[in-house]
Amino acid sequence: GQSLEQPSEVTAVEGAIVQINCTYQTSGFYGLSWYQQHDGGAPTFLSYNALDGLEETGRFSSFLSRSDSYGYLLLQELQMKDSASYFCAVPNTGTASKLTFGTGTRLQVTL
Amino acid sequence: DTGVSQDPRHKITKRGQNVTFRCDPISEHNRLYWYRQTLGQGPEFLTYFQNEAQLEKSRLLSDRFSAERPKGSFSTLEIQRTEQGDSAMYLCASSLGRQGAGEKLFFGSGTQLSVL
Repeated sequence: GQSLEQPSEVTAVEGAIVQINCTYQTSGFYGLSWYQQHDGGAPTFLSYNALDGLEETGRFSSFLSRSDSYGYLLLQELQMKDSASYFCAVPNTGTASKLTFGTGTRLQVTL
Repeated sequence: DTGVSQDPRHKITKRGQNVTFRCDPISEHNRLYWYRQTLGQGPEFLTYFQNEAQLEKSRLLSDRFSAERPKGSFSTLEIQRTEQGDSAMYLCASSLGRQGAGEKLFFGSGTQLSVL
């Protein structure tokens, strides 16, 4: 089976940097994805890592270490609109036909 | 707006009633997925279609749940004899279906079901 662990809540100040961690246990590993979900909204794809290292997309970066079964999402220059829940997810096969999501990290950005 | 639309946005029903939800995916997407999400949890996979074929169903999906995608376009999810434990947000997503493990899923805003 698959399981993913994330911190339940993180609070950070506007303009700061925050890191959201995800550790996973999978029977087979095909990569780690991240999704953002605002309250009442649809989950929105942020990033995907298949190989070790850091992938940068604007203010957001995602890191993966396959040997540690660990990844993180790094959000820089935090804005109030970044307040949302963030989910890591792993596909069960190489086709992403089924994703297993973590329980999510609720990020609160304050002034 | 991701381009995936779901109807209705909210549904309140009494225990034992049947409900049906509709999902219209992005038109060129071959894959369509149904997920369920309860408060404070991540989305949980229910089933997915490749065109009109239903290729995988979660073991959590009881026989009261049925999904169809008759022409490979829109999909419906029906829950028969609803129970209070069915109360959740039902999310639909779609994707191209040919980009491998990192394929981006586009989710709709969901149908919030409340069973009284």
